[in-house]
Amino acid sequence: EDKVVQSPLSLVVHEGDTVTLNCSYEVTNFRSLLWYKQEKKAPTFLFMLTSSGIEKKSGRLSSILDKKELFSILNITATQTGDSAVYLCAVALTLGAGGGADGLTFGKGTHLIIQP
Amino acid sequence: SAVISQKPSRDICQRGTSLTIQCQVDSQVTMMFWYRQQPGQSLTLIATANQGSEATYESGFVIDKFPISRPNLTFSTLTVSNMSPEDSSIYLCSVEVHYEQYFGPGTRLTVT
Repeated sequence: EDKVVQSPLSLVVHEGDTVTLNCSYEVTNFRSLLWYKQEKKAPTFLFMLTSSGIEKKSGRLSSILDKKELFSILNITATQTGDSAVYLCAVALTLGAGGGADGLTFGKGTHLIIQP
Repeated sequence: SAVISQKPSRDICQRGTSLTIQCQVDSQVTMMFWYRQQPGQSLTLIATANQGSEATYESGFVIDKFPISRPNLTFSTLTVSNMSPEDSSIYLCSVEVHYEQYFGPGTRLTVT
């Protein structure tokens, strides 16, 4: 059974701190790993990672994938209260020889709270 | 990316009734997905809908309960049939664009 595990499940820090969110996975036919930020209803796309060791960066957020150890981390530096959200990690699988993707398998998410 | 809209944004329905949720995308996409997020839970894939073929359902979801239509490359509907309070969830559609998946704003369904 495909599995995506995120840790910690919840985290409370103060504004200005740096946080690291973890995501490990056990899946067959791995295609990519995606990070999302969910504040109300719709998850907002952050990053898609397909190759090991290549950091993706957007402002204060960055992420990297280790396909050998089967995990990814999401870093947020100089946190702000607006970073408070649930951060979701998801894995996309490859279907068949055509390479088309299946739906995503999600972890339970990390509930991040940034205190002023 | 893609701009995705869903209707309705929220609804309160009585048990035993059905609700059809619409998903509209601003560009043609091959694959559309429907997810459910129960209160306090993460997202679970219900089914994959490709235009021109029958939807593919995940384990635990059946066509009689969640019929899906995909009449063209920009539109899909999900019906939640014979609803019970356990169907109270957020229902989200998503599309894949250049291997990235983007989500619609979601439909918050409450069944009383």
